[in-house]
Amino acid sequence: DVKVTQSSRYLVKRTGEKVFLECVQDMDHENMFWYRQDPGLGLRLIYFSYDVKMKEKGDIPEGYSVSREKKERFSLILESASTNQTSMYLCASSPWTSGGISYEQYFGPGTRLTVT
Amino acid sequence: GQNIDQPTEMTATEGAIVQINCTYQTSGFNGLFWYQQHAGEAPTFLSYNVLDGLEEKGRFSSFLSRSKGYSYLLLKELQMKDSASYLCAVTDSNYQLIWGAGTKLIIKP
Repeated sequence: DVKVTQSSRYLVKRTGEKVFLECVQDMDHENMFWYRQDPGLGLRLIYFSYDVKMKEKGDIPEGYSVSREKKERFSLILESASTNQTSMYLCASSPWTSGGISYEQYFGPGTRLTVT
Repeated sequence: GQNIDQPTEMTATEGAIVQINCTYQTSGFNGLFWYQQHAGEAPTFLSYNVLDGLEEKGRFSSFLSRSKGYSYLLLKELQMKDSASYLCAVTDSNYQLIWGAGTKLIIKP
C-alpha cells in the first residue's frame, strides 16, 4: 500500500525558531514536493525535488529551504519561523513524469504548523 | 500567466447529481487531475484526463475538452460522505502541476 508519512500532525513553534518538517515515502518515487495550503488560496508549491540532492524552487520558496539526502526522504526547513508561516504543510511524491503522461501525486497526512 | 478557475462553494442534496466545473489557462497541457479533500485531511486522487471525453469511475465521472480549456467532475447519487473540497489541477508543458483553489461541496439531507 502506497504511503507518505510526515513527522508531525501538529506543531507549535515560537517566532525565530528553526523548524524541521520531515517527509518519507516508501514507493521509490523520484519526485517529491512540499506545499502549503491556506484557506481560499489552494495548494502552493514551496519546493520540489526530482532526484537525490536535487531541488527546485516552487512558487513561494522565500523563508524555506529543503534537503534531500536520500531518495525516500525530503525535509522542509524554516530557517527562522515567522507568524505568516502558520499553515498546513503537505508533502507529496510521484513517479518521474515524461512522454506526455502525468502521474498522480500521493500526499502525506499534513502538518498543521502554528507559529506564535 | 497560468490560471485555474473553479467555483468556491456549491450545495447539493443527498441522492442528487452535481457538476463541478473547472476552466484552465496554462502553458501547455499534459493532463488534468481531480482530487478530493475532506476537511483536515490530505487530498486523494479521483481521476486523470489527458484526452478529450468522459472518464467514468463508479459514481464519479470526469470530462475534458482541451480545445475549450474545460473540465467537469460529475458526482451522482450524492452521499453525505461526499461533502468535501474538490481540487482541479493541470500539468503544464514542464510537467508542473498547477492547482485550482478548490470547490467546497456541501451536501444537505
